[in-house]
Amino acid sequence: AQSVSQHNHHVILSEAASLELGCNYSYGGTVNLFWYVQYPGQHLQLLLKYFSGDPLVKGIKGFEAEFIKSKFSFNLRKPSVQWSDTAEYFCAGPSGAGNNRKLIWGLGTSLAVNP
Amino acid sequence: DAMVIQNPRYQVTQFGKPVTLSCSQTLNHNVMYWYQQKSSQAPKLLFHYYDKDFNNEADTPDNFQSRRPNTSFCFLDIRSPGLGDAAMYLCATDNGIYNEQFFGPGTRLTVL
Repeated sequence: AQSVSQHNHHVILSEAASLELGCNYSYGGTVNLFWYVQYPGQHLQLLLKYFSGDPLVKGIKGFEAEFIKSKFSFNLRKPSVQWSDTAEYFCAGPSGAGNNRKLIWGLGTSLAVNP
Repeated sequence: DAMVIQNPRYQVTQFGKPVTLSCSQTLNHNVMYWYQQKSSQAPKLLFHYYDKDFNNEADTPDNFQSRRPNTSFCFLDIRSPGLGDAAMYLCATDNGIYNEQFFGPGTRLTVL
């Protein structure tokens, strides 16, 4: 079965620290990969996505992620976090090929940024 | 703005009393999803529609049903809610091309 794994379940940082959240997926075919963010009390929203092309993708609020096919990874990064980045972060990837519409979700990483 | 709308935002029901949650979208996407999300957990897919083609997850309880009368609307029916069904229910849409999903604000269900 396909899987998406996130390595860090709880991360605590101080403002201005750098952030890297790990995500690995298992599907070997063409992948569409996503990072979603859920701020406290808010709905899930797309942070960034990778479909094809440049493996370094830029998202909203200064986030970026790098798709490394050889490592089956899609890690999320931000050089300097802010208190407002406190949120739950989810990585998601394909469940398979063809018309399978489902995404497989990682378990999420809870990020707390201390002011 | 094009969006995914869920009503109500908060729903309180009694143990065993049927409840219906609704979702509408102005994105004209042909795929719609229902997820259940419990506190600090990943969304759990319950089912999805590709146009009128209904796809149920194998582990979705029979207690959960869904209807999609047209492209814009989708309903989640919980026939006999139990305490374990208290959760946030998320509706999402997808344009059927890249799997990118657009989420509504969710309905928080409380079961008394």
